[in-house]
Amino acid sequence: DVKVTQSSRYLVKRTGEKVFLECVQDMDHENMFWYRQDPGLGLRLIYFSYDVKMKEKGDIPEGYSVSREKKERFSLILESASTNQTSMYLCASSPRRLSSYEQYFGPGTRLTVT
Amino acid sequence: SQQGEEDPQALSIQEGENATMNCSYKTSINNLQWYRQNSGRGLVHLILIRSNEREKHSGRLRVTLDTSKKSSSLLITASRAADTASYFCAPPDPSNTGKLIFGQGTTLQVKP
Repeated sequence: DVKVTQSSRYLVKRTGEKVFLECVQDMDHENMFWYRQDPGLGLRLIYFSYDVKMKEKGDIPEGYSVSREKKERFSLILESASTNQTSMYLCASSPRRLSSYEQYFGPGTRLTVT
Repeated sequence: SQQGEEDPQALSIQEGENATMNCSYKTSINNLQWYRQNSGRGLVHLILIRSNEREKHSGRLRVTLDTSKKSSSLLITASRAADTASYFCAPPDPSNTGKLIFGQGTTLQVKP
């Protein structure tokens, strides 16, 4: 079974802190994604990566950066957390670059910035 | 954008009834996926239907795709309380880079 794990289920941070959200997949998938999910807005893509050290901006990259130093790990970084980044963050991976492959999701991290 | 738009936004039915959720999208696609999300959890893939398929079944799930109308539907037959979840359709991004475009989803409540 494919497994995608995220470092925390719940996280509380203060405004201005640097926040790292980690995602690890165990199936040698090329693609990895970071989404945020907010009520009424659905899932929105923040960044994705289709190879080690490769990254591409999604729909809402502002205020975020990512790192993919190893194939199995994709990190989302909030350089200076703000209250409007309070959200559910979901990581996903998929086997190939093409769109005809399903995405496997982690359990999510609910981040609260106070 | 290519965002899938689900309709209705919320649906409440009794156990045993069928639930139908609809999805519309904007541009040509070669496949479309449906996902389910239990409250506060990650999404789980349900089914993928290709553009040359009109209908696909998986257990109590039936998915249809009408490419001429740019629409898809998900039918859950004989619903159970455990089917209570949010359901999302996900057409692919036209860039064909593996990105999917998720909408707001349909929240289904199945009452025991």
